[in-house]
Amino acid sequence: KNQVEQSPQSLIILEGKNCTLQCNYTVSPFSNLRWYKQDTGRGPVSLTIMTFSENTKSNGRYTATLDADTKQSSLHITASQLSDSASYICVVSFGNEKLTFGTGTRLTIIP
Amino acid sequence: KAGVTQTPRYLIKTRGQQVTLSCSPISGHRSVSWYQQTPGQGLQFLFEYFSETQRNKGNFPGRFSGRQFSNSRSEMNVSTLELGDSALYLCASSPTGPGAGELFFGEGSRLTVL
Repeated sequence: KNQVEQSPQSLIILEGKNCTLQCNYTVSPFSNLRWYKQDTGRGPVSLTIMTFSENTKSNGRYTATLDADTKQSSLHITASQLSDSASYICVVSFGNEKLTFGTGTRLTIIP
Repeated sequence: KAGVTQTPRYLIKTRGQQVTLSCSPISGHRSVSWYQQTPGQGLQFLFEYFSETQRNKGNFPGRFSGRQFSNSRSEMNVSTLELGDSALYLCASSPTGPGAGELFFGEGSRLTVL
């Protein structure tokens, strides 16, 4: 069964600090992996999308890495800001246009 | 360029009623997909339409249905509502399909079933 697991479920850090969110997947055949940011009550917004051949991609203070051999991805947030408080969802695409969603990491930034 | 628009944003229904949600995709996008999001289950895929044809369907009962019009606008319908149908319903559009490239989500329709 295709699965995407994220850790931790929730995380609280001080403003200005860095953090790393994890995503492990067992999806096959793998097509691409995305990270989305979802503010409370809003729709998800894409941060990064990586194919099998890419192992890192950045979007401002967000950097995603992908290790296709170990089927792991991470999202690193640098110099966190209050506006980074949100849920971060890892999504893996596999054959035939299907997506498998992780349950997300709830990040809270405190001043 | 306007984003994905979903209406209504909020609605309250009672058990047994039916509901229709609407989604207008980004201009030029032919694929519209629908998702249910609940605190316990996260995001779950409902179905995807491309050029008025349903291409993929998730594991939801037949009470959940949808359609897409020639202008790519899409609707989803839930009949005989149950308490467990309370959720945020998200629609997303893309040029070719949800799996291949960028997926753009709307703000969602929050359904509460009493």
